[in-house]
Amino acid sequence: QKEVEQDPGPLSVPEGAIVSLNCTYSNSAFQYFMWYRQYSRKGPELLMYTYSSGNKEDGRFTAQVDKSSKYISLFIRDSQPSDSATYLCAARDTEGYQKVTFGTGTKLQVIP
Amino acid sequence: EPEVTQTPSHQVTQMGQEVILRCVPISNHLYFYWYRQILGQKVEFLVSFYNNEISEKSEIFDDQFSVERPDGSNFTLKIRSTKLEDSAMYFCASSGAGAGANVLTFGAGSRLTVL
Repeated sequence: QKEVEQDPGPLSVPEGAIVSLNCTYSNSAFQYFMWYRQYSRKGPELLMYTYSSGNKEDGRFTAQVDKSSKYISLFIRDSQPSDSATYLCAARDTEGYQKVTFGTGTKLQVIP
Repeated sequence: EPEVTQTPSHQVTQMGQEVILRCVPISNHLYFYWYRQILGQKVEFLVSFYNNEISEKSEIFDDQFSVERPDGSNFTLKIRSTKLEDSAMYFCASSGAGAGANVLTFGAGSRLTVL
């Protein structure tokens, strides 16, 4: 079983739409959850991270973690064409700084 | 804004040859990483490096791979005898300690093509 699973998409939405991106994970030891954005032929760029369950908001982006259901979400409000990228969810446990486990990524296209 | 720099951006090599990928992490970071991404697949952890030694490695990181921080600024990944399946994008990343450990800054990657 994959540790972090994501629907690969692609997901196509009109500009201004609310986007919902989701992941599930299997490893109960995961405590830190991240969302990265990756543009084509670039490295992943951290958008935000959360610890344990709860919500975190940063501008148009909101991350949610529900540890009881092992579900991770990222919401993007008022989506812009510049948000078009692949979004990677990721997780790590508290013991290892080192190993971040990524999902396969969801490709998002925001159409003007 | 500080960034992680990787060279070369693209390297083509013959199977069996040695390659060295280079990275300059962010100067005040303490943890250094290599990840790889085979085309169309997920980003996979290879190895982490702290205090001049490997702190964790994945099963992918076998005896063909090695890492080194030769001069306090560069961080290298060596593949001794490349195989076709080593073709991938290799990302270097670095992070600070404590809460900063969650903020991995990735380089733009080095694309390795093994023929």
